[in-house]
Amino acid sequence: SAVISQKPSRDICQRGTSLTIQCQVDSQVTMMFWYRQQPGQSLTLIATANQGSEATYESGFVIDKFPISRPNLTFSTLTVSNMSPEDSSIYLCSVELTGGPNEQFFGPGTRLTVL
Amino acid sequence: GQQVMQIPQYQHVQEGEDFTTYCNSSTTLSNIQWYKQRPGGHPVFLIQLVKSGEVKKQKRLTFQFGEAKKNSSLHITATQTTDVGTYFCAGADLYNQGGKLIFGQGTELSVKP
Repeated sequence: SAVISQKPSRDICQRGTSLTIQCQVDSQVTMMFWYRQQPGQSLTLIATANQGSEATYESGFVIDKFPISRPNLTFSTLTVSNMSPEDSSIYLCSVELTGGPNEQFFGPGTRLTVL
Repeated sequence: GQQVMQIPQYQHVQEGEDFTTYCNSSTTLSNIQWYKQRPGGHPVFLIQLVKSGEVKKQKRLTFQFGEAKKNSSLHITATQTTDVGTYFCAGADLYNQGGKLIFGQGTELSVKP
């Protein structure tokens, strides 16, 4: 298994500002993912972040709005840029362990409120 | 694109009653996974099904993968209050590259003691 931490756990931000969310894993992993989950809704994949390559974004998500860094095998950041109230959501990172079955382990999430 | 539909959206049961949630994919899947998310928590992996027609059990939970690998179900026998939460199925497309999962909408289970 993997233990994942996220910072911050929650934040309240003003419209037009940016927030960077950090995701730290206790072991080296190749596959990391960023999801968005609006209250009471399902998980929507934002992007796949693999070390050593550009993040792959899903339809409806663009790098200018959600830049991602993946500097090493245990860490990633997601920035929510130029925020609007529609960006209020829970943001979760997850990892898939290298060499194992492709189950995903999720971080505790970052609850973002944009005023 | 690939879609994963899950029904029902909500289920309220009396403790001791059974519960079933169904998952259907628009495309053939290489595998399907089930996750549980407790209120205020994050999704936690329950199981993965890979083979056509596969059935797996975890205590009171029974998971099935359809013969065509496009549908799945989760059945809980004799629900308990600890079963409360939202159950998500998540499918990996047969031709998927890179571990991408598409999550169903989830079934929120409430159990009345």
